[in-house]
Amino acid sequence: GENVEQHPSTLSVQEGDSAVIKCTYSDSASNYFPWYKQELGKRPQLIIDIRSNVGEKKDQRIAVTLNKTAKHFSLHITETQPEDSAVYFCAASPDSSYKLIFGSGTRLLVRP
Amino acid sequence: EPEVTQTPSHQVTQMGQEVILRCVPISNHLYFYWYRQILGQKVEFLVSFYNNEISEKSEIFDDQFSVERPDGSNFTLKIRSTKLEDSAMYFCASKGSSYNSPLHFGNGTRLTVT
Repeated sequence: GENVEQHPSTLSVQEGDSAVIKCTYSDSASNYFPWYKQELGKRPQLIIDIRSNVGEKKDQRIAVTLNKTAKHFSLHITETQPEDSAVYFCAASPDSSYKLIFGSGTRLLVRP
Repeated sequence: EPEVTQTPSHQVTQMGQEVILRCVPISNHLYFYWYRQILGQKVEFLVSFYNNEISEKSEIFDDQFSVERPDGSNFTLKIRSTKLEDSAMYFCASKGSSYNSPLHFGNGTRLTVT
């Protein structure tokens, strides 16, 4: 079955700097890759997703890149703000209707 | 914006007791899921449900677990005889029929087994 590895487990950046979180997946059939942000005690919230027919997608300060050959995808947050502090999870699935397999999460701390 | 709602927000139960976690998915959604998250760990898939039947389940979802959609709005997760290791946050999620429809999570039920 699918296995998703996520790095780093914790990331501390200065406000205004960029943050990059990386994930690799094992199942070449996966073609849907969402990213979720989870604040303490709250539900995971979708922040961006990408499908395998696209190499990059951007939404304001957030971008995701996908390299299907290498089976890895990354989340890029530019101009980080303290409110970006949260746990970020990547996930993979062969189809958006199927189960999501999550990575282990990255705790992002943005220092003011 | 429509939301997935879950009740209760926190459930405390004794080991060996049965619990039922309740969810009301978004009304026009067709795909329903339960995930769980042990404190400080990743979100894990339990079960997916479509067209009134289980479409997939993980190895975590053993005979102690069951799901039901008793009417047109509720989606429940039952744990027959709870164990200490069942303590976790349980998230219900739902998805619309459109290919691009994202997964929406509820706020979760924190289950504590003592």
